[in-house]
Amino acid sequence: AQSVSQHNHHVILSEAASLELGCNYSYGGTVNLFWYVQYPGQHLQLLLKYFSGDPLVKGIKGFEAEFIKSKFSFNLRKPSVQWSDTAEYFCAVTSFAGTYKYIFGTGTRLKVLA
Amino acid sequence: EAGVTQSPTHLIKTRGQQATLRCSPISGHTSVYWYQQALGLGLQFLLWYDEGEERNRGNFPPRFSGRQFPNYSSELNVNALELEDSALYLCASSRTGTHNEQFFGPGTRLTVL
Repeated sequence: AQSVSQHNHHVILSEAASLELGCNYSYGGTVNLFWYVQYPGQHLQLLLKYFSGDPLVKGIKGFEAEFIKSKFSFNLRKPSVQWSDTAEYFCAVTSFAGTYKYIFGTGTRLKVLA
Repeated sequence: EAGVTQSPTHLIKTRGQQATLRCSPISGHTSVYWYQQALGLGLQFLLWYDEGEERNRGNFPPRFSGRQFPNYSSELNVNALELEDSALYLCASSRTGTHNEQFFGPGTRLTVL
């Protein structure tokens, strides 16, 4: 069965620290990859997405993610986090196997200490 | 542009009752998705509707059902409620084609007593 794994469930960082959140998926076919973010009290919103082309994708607020096909990974990075990055981050994958599936990971709660 | 709206915001039911949750997509979006967000489990895909048809459903029992209306709004019905159905139910919409970005609503918090 297709799945998305986010191994870090809770991450605590100090401001200015670098961030990397892991995301691995299990599906051998063509995939589209997404990172969504949910700030406290707000709706889920798209951070960045990868469909094809350059495997290094840049999103909003200084976030980027790299698609490594050989590792089935799509890790999220930010060189220097801010207190306002405190949120829950979800990796998601769409794939086609007879019909489209849209699968989310369990999320990573990030807390940035001022 | 108005976002995805959901109603009600909160819903309290007792075991065995039925719950109906509603979702209005962004104008121009024909796809509606339903997710269950239970504590610690992330978002679990429930249902996907596009152009009035059910296109896919997740691993949930048949008592979870729904429909999409001609104006692309949707409702999710949960019959014979169980305690473990207590969760935040999120609706999202997108333009046709699930490779597109999904836009999420605020959710309906369902509590089953």
